[in-house]
Amino acid sequence: SQQGEEDPQALSIQEGENATMNCSYKTSINNLQWYRQNSGRGLVHLILIRSNEREKHSGRLRVTLDTSKKSSSLLITASRAADTASYFCATDGGGATNKLIFGTGTLLAVQP
Amino acid sequence: EAGVVQSPRYKIIEKKQPVAFWCNPISGHNTLYWYLQNLGQGPELLIRYENEEAVDDSQLPKDRFSAERLKGVDSTLKIQPAELGDSAVYLCASSPRGVQSDNEQFFGPGTRLTVL
Repeated sequence: SQQGEEDPQALSIQEGENATMNCSYKTSINNLQWYRQNSGRGLVHLILIRSNEREKHSGRLRVTLDTSKKSSSLLITASRAADTASYFCATDGGGATNKLIFGTGTLLAVQP
Repeated sequence: EAGVVQSPRYKIIEKKQPVAFWCNPISGHNTLYWYLQNLGQGPELLIRYENEEAVDDSQLPKDRFSAERLKGVDSTLKIQPAELGDSAVYLCASSPRGVQSDNEQFFGPGTRLTVL
């Protein structure tokens, strides 16, 4: 079963706007990762944030993590049409293995 | 560096037929994963290998699904017999290190299975 729930399920914005996606999870974690999946393609790793970190940046991506609320957010700034994809958060379930438990995903559509 | 390779990309079969998917991970990656992804959902782990050993197969429906990674490199996932509900995308992924929890996973393009 899925661990994470993402919100919103779908998001449509105009090019240049910012997009924010939220993820909630159920168990303790060591880290949380975000992945992107373009239509018909495999998943691509975007960013990893560890449980002792609160915020992390990578290019136009900003991830926050609140372990007390068991939630994370992914912000994409100055969105582009090429950002159109599904975005998934994934946690390790707090174990000592490299198992990933994925959320249900947010479908982002960026209109040119 | 070549990515994770999967074949076939698409497969259409009739129910009760067998089907097999093949995965070649990134060279040097010890850990290999098979995931199932239903439409509109995130991937769900079926089985994880550390080298040739299946270390987590708790989500693999063993009555009809089997997997192998005989030489610790490429892997095959088989379904026999296939059922209508098996229609999904089967993703293979690999990661470079062993038992560590901060591994990025590298995914192949997946095999889209349609069972008629």
